[in-house]
Amino acid sequence: RKEVEQDPGPFNVPEGATVAFNCTYSNSASQSFFWYRQDCRKEPKLLMSVYSSGNEDGRFTAQLNRASQYISLLIRDSKLSDSATYLCVVNIANSGYALNFGKGTSLLVTP
Amino acid sequence: NAGVTQTPKFRVLKTGQSMTLLCAQDMNHEYMYWYRQDPGMGLRLIHYSVGEGTTAKGEVPDGYNVSRLKKQNFLLGLESAAPSQTSVYFCASSPVRQGNTEAFFGQGTRLTVV
Repeated sequence: RKEVEQDPGPFNVPEGATVAFNCTYSNSASQSFFWYRQDCRKEPKLLMSVYSSGNEDGRFTAQLNRASQYISLLIRDSKLSDSATYLCVVNIANSGYALNFGKGTSLLVTP
Repeated sequence: NAGVTQTPKFRVLKTGQSMTLLCAQDMNHEYMYWYRQDPGMGLRLIHYSVGEGTTAKGEVPDGYNVSRLKKQNFLLGLESAAPSQTSVYFCASSPVRQGNTEAFFGQGTRLTVV
C-alpha cells in the first residue's frame, strides 16, 4: 500500500468552478506536508505548504488533519491555467527528509 | 538563477550500456535526491544524500549507484542499463529547515533503454 494515497481523477471542471482534492497518508511520523503542481512533461513545483491550522494562498486553501492523517486542497474560481497534476506530498525525518509523493490528481479546466 | 540543473535532458541507451546522470545545484543545499517517475507510479526515491561524501538508499535503489564528492553535485550511475530503467529521472535539492523542507527540482532527464 502506497504511503500517500490520492484520487487519480481526472477531474474535468468548467472555468470558475470550485474543486477539492483529498489525500491520505499512512505514516504518523510524517512531519511536513505539501501540495506540488506538475505540468505535463515538467518538473514538480511547490504550490503550497500545508499547516495544521489550515492556510490560504489566493484561490487555494489547504487543510491538514493530523488525527485522521488527511490533507486537502481546495481551488476556487478555477482558471484554464490551473490545468495540471496536483501531487500530495509528505516527508519524514528518517529518510533524509525525502519527499514522499502521491501518484497525483489530474485536473482539466475547460472553457 | 540556475537552481538545479540536470545533464543530459534526453538519452537513449542500449541494454547493457552504462551512463551517468549529473545533477548540479547552486543554492548551497545540504540534501540532494534522485527520483524516478513512471506512468501510474508517481515519483519514487532512488537514492539520497544528506551532505558531501554521504549517500543512502531510497525506495528503489537496485541497478543504480550514486556519488556526492562535491556538495553541489549528485551523480546517478547506471552500470548496466535495463529496459525497466526507462523512465524520467528528477534530481532535487533541499536546504532542510526543521519542520518545512521544500525541495527544488531539476527539469528532468528522459531516459529510454532499448
